[in-house]
Amino acid sequence: AQTVTQSQPEMSVQEAETVTLSCTYDTSENNYYLFWYKQPPSRQMILVIRQEAYKQQNATENRFSVNFQKAAKSFSLKISDSQLGDTAMYFCAFANSGYALNFGKGTSLLVTP
Amino acid sequence: GAGVSQSPSNKVTEKGKDVELRCDPISGHTALYWYRQSLGQGLEFLIYFQGNSAPDKSGLPSDRFSAERTGGSVSTLTIQRTQQEDSAVYLCASVPGGLYNEQFFGPGTRLTVL
Repeated sequence: AQTVTQSQPEMSVQEAETVTLSCTYDTSENNYYLFWYKQPPSRQMILVIRQEAYKQQNATENRFSVNFQKAAKSFSLKISDSQLGDTAMYFCAFANSGYALNFGKGTSLLVTP
Repeated sequence: GAGVSQSPSNKVTEKGKDVELRCDPISGHTALYWYRQSLGQGLEFLIYFQGNSAPDKSGLPSDRFSAERTGGSVSTLTIQRTQQEDSAVYLCASVPGGLYNEQFFGPGTRLTVL
């Protein structure tokens, strides 16, 4: 069975600083996709960034980037220049040959002024 | 166009009652998922619809849960004889096609069973 582990239930960062959220996963598959989703208080899940396992280059989307370590099965999210609007739950998710995303339990990020 | 919509936004019901939760996916999206998010937990897969194929019901927690998708569009998740442990946020997501494409989520329905 695939599992996704987010070891940081809560994190806090000051505005304009950088924060890294951790995620590890377990799979025997070789081809898969990894995602970070953001869920603000409005409950709307929003895709932040996506990484294909066969790509060695780390994905980047503006202030968001990932550190994908395939051998270590690690997929961390770095948020640079944190903004108040980044306050949300962040979920790491994994998809392989199955249909559904496997989600971690999430990290609650608070950005403070 | 419009995103995924879900109704109602919130539903409070008494234990033992049946409830229906509705999901309107993005037009043209071929796949639709239902997830359950319990307090402090990640999302738990419930059911998956892809086009006209038989749905993958492997995530449904009991036979009290069922879902249908009419005309390849609107989906309804039905919970019969609700229990307090059914209290959660139920999220729907639609996908334009392909296993690894981005899932577009609705705002969810918060179900509270008293």
